Amino acid sequence: GDQVKQSPSALSLQEGTNSALRCNFSIATTTVQWFLQNPRGSLMNLFYLVPGTKENGRLKSTFNSKESYSTLHIRDAQLEDSGTYFCAAEDDSNYQLIWGSGTKLIIKP
Amino acid sequence: GGIITQTPKFLIGQEGQKLTLKCQQNFNHDTMYWYRQDSGKGLRLIYYSITENDLQKGDLSEGYDASREKKSSFSLTVTSAQKNEMAVFLCASSINRVGNTLYFGEGSRLIVV
Repeated sequence: GDQVKQSPSALSLQEGTNSALRCNFSIATTTVQWFLQNPRGSLMNLFYLVPGTKENGRLKSTFNSKESYSTLHIRDAQLEDSGTYFCAAEDDSNYQLIWGSGTKLIIKP
Repeated sequence: GGIITQTPKFLIGQEGQKLTLKCQQNFNHDTMYWYRQDSGKGLRLIYYSITENDLQKGDLSEGYDASREKKSSFSLTVTSAQKNEMAVFLCASSINRVGNTLYFGEGSRLIVV
C-alpha cells in the first residue's frame, strides 16, 4: 500500500477561500517536507518540518508524528497557488525520502 | 542562494539510443539526486550520490546509469531509450543525505521518437 498517502488527489477552490491538504504516513518518520510544483513543472520547497507547526504567509503546516499525519493549510487562496502539492517523508529505517502522489490544486477566479 | 541547472531542457532521441542528461549545482551541496516524473504522477528516485564519485541506486535504476564526476555535477544516462519512458527528469540536491530539504532544477523532458 501507499506509504505516504495524500488527499485529496485533486481540489478546485474559489479565489479567497481556505483549504487543507493532508498526508498520512504508514512509515516511521520524524521529518516531512512539502513542495509545490507549478504549472510549468518547477518544484519549490515550502516547508521542512519536524513534529510541530510552521507558518509562512498564507501557508501553515503541521506535522503530528504520534498520529502519523501532516497537513498543509492554505488561507485566502490566490491564483498563483495553483499547481500540484507534494509531501515527502523521510523513512527512519533507511533515510529514504518517500513521496506522496500529489494533490492537484486549481484556484478559480 | 544557489541554483540547479539542468541541460538540455528537452532531449529528443530515437528508440534504442543512449541519451545523457546533465545537472549542475552551485549550492556546494554534498548530495544530489535524479528523479523521474511521469505525466500526472509523483516522483520516483532513479539514482542519488552522497558525495563526489559516490553512486547509490534508487527504486528505478534499471535502464539508467549515473555519474558524479565532481561535487557540483551529476549526470544521468538512459542506456537504451524506450517510448514508454518519456517523462520529465528532475535533478535535486541537498546539504547532505539525512535531514535536509531538497532543491530542484527546472526539469528535462525526454521525448523518444
